[in-house]
Order: sequence, then C-alpha cells, then structure tokens
Amino acid sequence: EVQLLESGGGLVQPGGSLRLSCAASGFTFSSYAMTWVRQAPGKGLEWVSAISGSGTSTYYADSVKGRFTISRDNSQNTLYLQLNSLRADDTAVYYCARAGPCTNCYWSWFDSWGQGTLVSVSS
Amino acid sequence: QSALTQPASVAGSPGQSITISCTGTSSDVGAYDHVAWYQLHPGKAPKVMIYDVSIRPSGVSNRFSGSKSGNTASLTISGLQAEDEADYYCGSHTTSVTVVFGGGTKVTVL
Repeated sequence: EVQLLESGGGLVQPGGSLRLSCAASGFTFSSYAMTWVRQAPGKGLEWVSAISGSGTSTYYADSVKGRFTISRDNSQNTLYLQLNSLRADDTAVYYCARAGPCTNCYWSWFDSWGQGTLVSVSS
Repeated sequence: QSALTQPASVAGSPGQSITISCTGTSSDVGAYDHVAWYQLHPGKAPKVMIYDVSIRPSGVSNRFSGSKSGNTASLTISGLQAEDEADYYCGSHTTSVTVVFGGGTKVTVL
C-alpha cells in the first residue's frame, strides 16, 4: 500500500524558514516523480513544485520560485521542501503527492496523496 | 499561471446527473489531454477521480466520467449519491511543465 507521511509543519514568523519532509513507503520511490501541493485556509488547491524521479529536474510555481527548494533522497525514500523567506500568504496545508504515469511529460496527475502538514506564517 | 475556471457550486438531487466545467487556455487544458479531477472531503487527503481527461483509476465508480472540448474539460457525476457531496478540483498539465488547478467546485446533494 502506498503511504505518504508529511511532517515539519508549524508556526513560523514572516521571513522565517521551515523544512517539510514526506516519508514514502509501499512503492519504488525513485521510479516516481513527486510533487508538493498546498491549500490555504478556505482556498483552493495550488500546485507548488515537482521533482523528477532521479531528482535532476525540478519545477516551481511562480509564487514560490526563488524561495522554496524541492529535493529528494532516494536512499531514504524521502521528499523535502525547503521553505525560505516565508510570508503570510504561504500559510496553508502542504500535501505531498506521487505523480501518476504521464505520456510525454514528467507529471500531470497525482495518484496518491498524504494527509498534509500545516504551515502557519504569523508574527 | 492563472487558475482554471470552475463554477463555485453545483447542486443536484439524489439520482440526478450533474456536470462541472473547467475552462482553461491553449497553454493548459487545450494543449494536452492531461486533465485530472480530484475529490476533496473535509479533513481527508485528495482523491483522484479522473485522469488524462476521461480515464478512471481503479476503484473509482463508473458514475464518474470526464470529457474535453477545446479549452474546456468537464466532469459528470451520474446517479448522484450523498457520498458524492464534496469539493472537486480540476488540474491540468501546462506548456510550462507545471500544473494548474481550478478554483474548486462545491457539490451539494439536495
């Protein structure tokens, strides 16, 4: 059974940093692209970032480019998201998800999701 | 990248069919057959209901179906049931190798 377990969320002041982790199990982690998606309170889903299975290709939403960094450790079956220069509008539940098979692309849909970890940015 | 456009809410009675639209541009929905639909129940992880416009993952009821015409994709729920009451989001691959979601549609079973 595929399992994704996020951790690392919490309360942080504006301008601060956090590192989110997503522990994966139940599948060959290195064979799948992975993504982070967030949902602000009362708002919709927002795609944040994605990384290829090997970790060599990474992409970001414009809203987080230059502030967030996605990475993975395939030896530890773990996905990371480093959040720097945090702002109030980064407050959200952050989900990690596994990318489903995609023809001629790295990712387009996500077949397994974690339960999410809450990041609150406030002074 | 602007969010895809979905109606804020759709309602239907048990047994009826409803359709949710998802309108994008030639850079996302219209560019590829890579549109997915997700169901969100409060406090639960999102669940994919449709991918690649019209493919149902294993275990998803055949009451859910998807289609696309031009820059607009649609999700139809047939034989509406109480358990279908949830928020639904479309998502599309884009020409920038990113993913864009819709604003979400709240489905109410009357």
